[in-house]
Amino acid sequence: NAGVTQTPKFQVLKTGQSMTLQCAQDMNHEYMSWYRQDPGMGLRLIHYSVGAGITDQGEVPNGYNVSRSTTEDFPLRLLSAAPSQTSVYFCASSPYTGGTQYFGPGTRLLVL
Amino acid sequence: KNQVEQSPQSLIILEGKNCTLQCNYTVSPFSNLRWYKQDTGRGPVSLTIMTFSENTKSNGRYTATLDADTKQSSLHITASQLSDSASYICVVSARWTSGTYKYIFGTGTRLKVLA
Repeated sequence: NAGVTQTPKFQVLKTGQSMTLQCAQDMNHEYMSWYRQDPGMGLRLIHYSVGAGITDQGEVPNGYNVSRSTTEDFPLRLLSAAPSQTSVYFCASSPYTGGTQYFGPGTRLLVL
Repeated sequence: KNQVEQSPQSLIILEGKNCTLQCNYTVSPFSNLRWYKQDTGRGPVSLTIMTFSENTKSNGRYTATLDADTKQSSLHITASQLSDSASYICVVSARWTSGTYKYIFGTGTRLKVLA
């Protein structure tokens, strides 16, 4: 099992550019989520999904879109990158909502 | 407001020494509490999970305690090793009325173990 994988590991964007952060898991987990981690702050939930075809907003959803067409994949799209989106992004999955989350290795994003 | 506060923010200890990290929470309704270890440049990894009725749980040299009355948890690391250098994050989950769960993350304690 590869667990939770994320690509790319590091990305530099210019303000206004768009991009997609990829996340995949091979554990057949229903629950998947995206977080951002900023210095001095706890992980903050961006979007989450309780199963294929079902997504919902977390606490900081503005500027991000998600979709969940399969159980395995949960991409995060930045619509028009802003410097405030400079952060480390983590994808996580768990077998059910409330279960132990398994995190990916993270994507470090720098927006200039 | 649901909050998880951890102390200290950072800690430096010598290899072989013990240490205790603290987590205080105001989360309702409480479901469970987890401690995660996050190595630099990596994602968090679960160490322990504790439910309302559990007071103590161990995972090797890591022992977590939970006092549900005072809403406090601690993570005790015994005979520290250089590989224990990491951030330790306390996460409390609460059940929403919709049936889904919300995870509330602390800001973590950064531990540095020196040789």
